Amino acid sequence: GQSLEQPSEVTAVEGAIVQINCTYQTSGFYGLSWYQQHDGGAPTFLSYNALDGLEETGRFSSFLSRSDSYGYLLLQELQMKDSASYFCAVRGGGFKTIFGAGTRLFVKA
Amino acid sequence: EAGVTQFPSHSVIEKGQTVTLRCDPISGHDNLYWYRRVMGKEIKFLLHFVKESKQDESGMPNNRFLAERTGGTYSTLKVQPAELEDSGVYFCASSQDPPSYEQYFGPGTRLTVT
Repeated sequence: GQSLEQPSEVTAVEGAIVQINCTYQTSGFYGLSWYQQHDGGAPTFLSYNALDGLEETGRFSSFLSRSDSYGYLLLQELQMKDSASYFCAVRGGGFKTIFGAGTRLFVKA
Repeated sequence: EAGVTQFPSHSVIEKGQTVTLRCDPISGHDNLYWYRRVMGKEIKFLLHFVKESKQDESGMPNNRFLAERTGGTYSTLKVQPAELEDSGVYFCASSQDPPSYEQYFGPGTRLTVT
């Protein structure tokens, strides 16, 4: 079957760095995406990795290792507004996107 | 530019009733996706339209679910008859063509079947 594993919850303090891991097992792989969702809101796109390595976008970075079927989202200089759910998603064959169950990030003052 | 919109935002129906959810994608986006999230679980793929054609409906749970996209603009997802396990948040997303890895999501419709 196809599955993505990510921690259910992560807690960190304001100003800190947090890493959210994602491992996947899918048939077909074109890339790994990350989405952010605040309570009651729409998931919004954060980043996409098609090749191995680190992609940086401001305070957020995303990493992919295709040989390990693993990626992570790194959030730096955490702010209270970063408290949200973060989903990893694999774009597989036929442009179908498989999402993980999400990681709930709590940022404390 | 308007984002993806969904209607209604909430729906509470009784088991056995029918509900129709609507999604208006971003103008010009040929790709439209439906997803469902049950509390605490993954955002599960239901189906993918390219214009008015169903590209992939492998995620549709059973024949009580019917999705349409007449004219290749807005889409509807009908659940008939609804069962308790259909409760969840139904998200619609759209993307440009060819299918982009960046999908734009709507705010979702929270469906509660009692």
